[in-house]
Amino acid sequence: DIQMTQSPSSLSASVGDRVTITCQASQDISNYLNWYQQKPGKAPKLLIYDASNLETGVPSRFSGSGSGTDFTFTISSLQPEDIATYYCQQYDNLPQYTFGQGTKLEIK
Amino acid sequence: EVQLVQSGAEVKKPGESLKISCKGSGYSFTSYWIGWVRQMPGKGLEWMGIIYPGDSDTRYSPSFQGQVTISADKSISTAYLQWSSLKASDTAMYYCVRPSIRGDAFDIWGQGTMVTVSS
Repeated sequence: DIQMTQSPSSLSASVGDRVTITCQASQDISNYLNWYQQKPGKAPKLLIYDASNLETGVPSRFSGSGSGTDFTFTISSLQPEDIATYYCQQYDNLPQYTFGQGTKLEIK
Repeated sequence: EVQLVQSGAEVKKPGESLKISCKGSGYSFTSYWIGWVRQMPGKGLEWMGIIYPGDSDTRYSPSFQGQVTISADKSISTAYLQWSSLKASDTAMYYCVRPSIRGDAFDIWGQGTMVTVSS
């Protein structure tokens, strides 16, 4: 099974900061990597698919990059409404999926 | 509008059986996989398994194989997640999800069904 290691597990940043979350796969998964945002009490929401493609309607301050085993999710300028937990997800061998452990983002 | 609507919260006792549902609408139910994701209280997301309603092809995460049963009734566009004997550790929020037509990303999520198992 492919394991996903996401870091950090929690993060505190100020409004306007650039925020970066990383996700590492236990083996090469090409660009088969998605990012989700989950706000408290809500279902998760797809933000980025295929490592770097922005889902329709998602603000451009969100971006993703990487391929192979190492991936990065970035918020270019943190907004108060971005407070949430973020998850990476791999799909190298459809239809099998694995989530990362999540990163809880808080405002400093 | 494409949506998945799940059945309501459940409170059950250990050893009881349970079947929760997820009704799809606004799209061709038999043309997309539909899966289930568990989130235990205060914890992360875990993919449980998935079914293709068109031919009932079903796959499970190794962690959930034998622990739950996923099924679908395409005549009423509804997928199910079933337990034969609940445990306290099954207490969690359960989301149904629909991957995109490519099968890669979960672009549609149900609202979640909270299952509480307590004596």
